[in-house]
Amino acid sequence: DQQVKQNSPSLSVQEGRISILNCDYTNSMFDYFLWYKKYPAEGPTFLISISSIKDKNEDGRFTVFLNKSAKHLSLHIVPSQPGDSAVYFCAARKLDNFNKFYFGSGTKLNVKP
Amino acid sequence: DAGITQSPRHKVTETGTPVTLRCHQTENHRYMYWYRQDPGHGLRLIHYSYGVKDTDKGEVSDGYSVSRSKTEDFLLTLESATSSQTSVYFCAISERGSGTNEKLFFGSGTQLSVL
Repeated sequence: DQQVKQNSPSLSVQEGRISILNCDYTNSMFDYFLWYKKYPAEGPTFLISISSIKDKNEDGRFTVFLNKSAKHLSLHIVPSQPGDSAVYFCAARKLDNFNKFYFGSGTKLNVKP
Repeated sequence: DAGITQSPRHKVTETGTPVTLRCHQTENHRYMYWYRQDPGHGLRLIHYSYGVKDTDKGEVSDGYSVSRSKTEDFLLTLESATSSQTSVYFCAISERGSGTNEKLFFGSGTQLSVL
């Protein structure tokens, strides 16, 4: 039973526009969320995170929004660039449970030039 | 980039044979993890280690064993490989294992094919 879900397997966006990747979770005990980016033949790399005491965290072109009541988070990329084309995974964990990072199934983003 | 090396990068083996994947880190991080990535499932935790000789099971541990005799090395063994274990395997490390800023750093992965 997946506790973290990414319901869109793929997303295609024009260069310069906004990319919005979505993630839903079911466990209300999650209080720390992360986004990872993965290129082919490489390992996932950390992108941005947010704790449950916040509803927004921004880092350059990347912003993560957290809606705890809806158990939903989203990653906004503005403006999107071709180099952003990758698979994006969201992950969640409980702060007191170090061994349990739960990952979604990923969304493949394609940014068209 | 975190100093994580996985070997081999690619492996083709036959059903029923034993296979060992190696993860080596140069960061001296205490926590090490093995994940597998499969289409539609994302990354799933197989086993993890919280210190030398201290390991525990993740959510998909059946058919796998691990060992950690040194801080820098974490081995994943498939005792008798099956076709369902065809996957991409990622090793990850983390420094403290808990805390607000904790995150995983991943290796480049091992593509394993069991024929």
